Amino acid sequence: NAGVTQTPKFRVLKTGQSMTLLCAQDMNHEYMYWYRQDPGMGLRLIHYSVGEGTTAKGEVPDGYNVSRLKKQNFLLGLESAAPSQTSVYFCASSDSPNYGYTFGSGTRLTVV
Amino acid sequence: AQSVAQPEDQVNVAEGNPLTVKCTYSVSGNPYLFWYVQYPNRGLQFLLKYITGDNLVKGSYGFEAEFNKSQTSFHLKKPSALVSDSALYFCAVRDPRYQKVTFGIGTKLQVIP
Repeated sequence: NAGVTQTPKFRVLKTGQSMTLLCAQDMNHEYMYWYRQDPGMGLRLIHYSVGEGTTAKGEVPDGYNVSRLKKQNFLLGLESAAPSQTSVYFCASSDSPNYGYTFGSGTRLTVV
Repeated sequence: AQSVAQPEDQVNVAEGNPLTVKCTYSVSGNPYLFWYVQYPNRGLQFLLKYITGDNLVKGSYGFEAEFNKSQTSFHLKKPSALVSDSALYFCAVRDPRYQKVTFGIGTKLQVIP
């Protein structure tokens, strides 16, 4: 089925380790987003992209980096993981910010 | 700055009864408003949106929402609740001058058989 695919689905990291979360969409959407979801805080925007080769900071960008080298992929990197980055991460895409987003199924990350 | 509030952490409703999940917003201009649903261990699914036009917006799974500019509200409604509607519901707002969408913290809907 067409949609947004996130890999991996689960990951446990030790403090200080690095990792990359991959988001892939097959709908030819221009806009892609990375959110984190924490209890009692809803979804918070980490970084977003308005097209291939572009990225921009969201509400909580510190400790994360992103890249959008290909239109269909949006990568989220953690250079040195911290326990505060324990969260569920969601990627989303859309044709336009005026439209509803299509979300991936999430990556549950635990940093110990 | 834009913001959205969902004043109820949880809403309980009996199956077959009408349901309402509340949302209020704050933006400088005319808002773009959205509702999403999240089932356990899943990503969010888009339900409906208001951009302009008719204040009553119809969406997926029989849900609708009413935009009220004077009360800055966008409450989600359904005439007859199903047990399968039990989930987490998120309201979201966007000031059209900006790219970002701000989500509320979510309201858990529990439909009791």
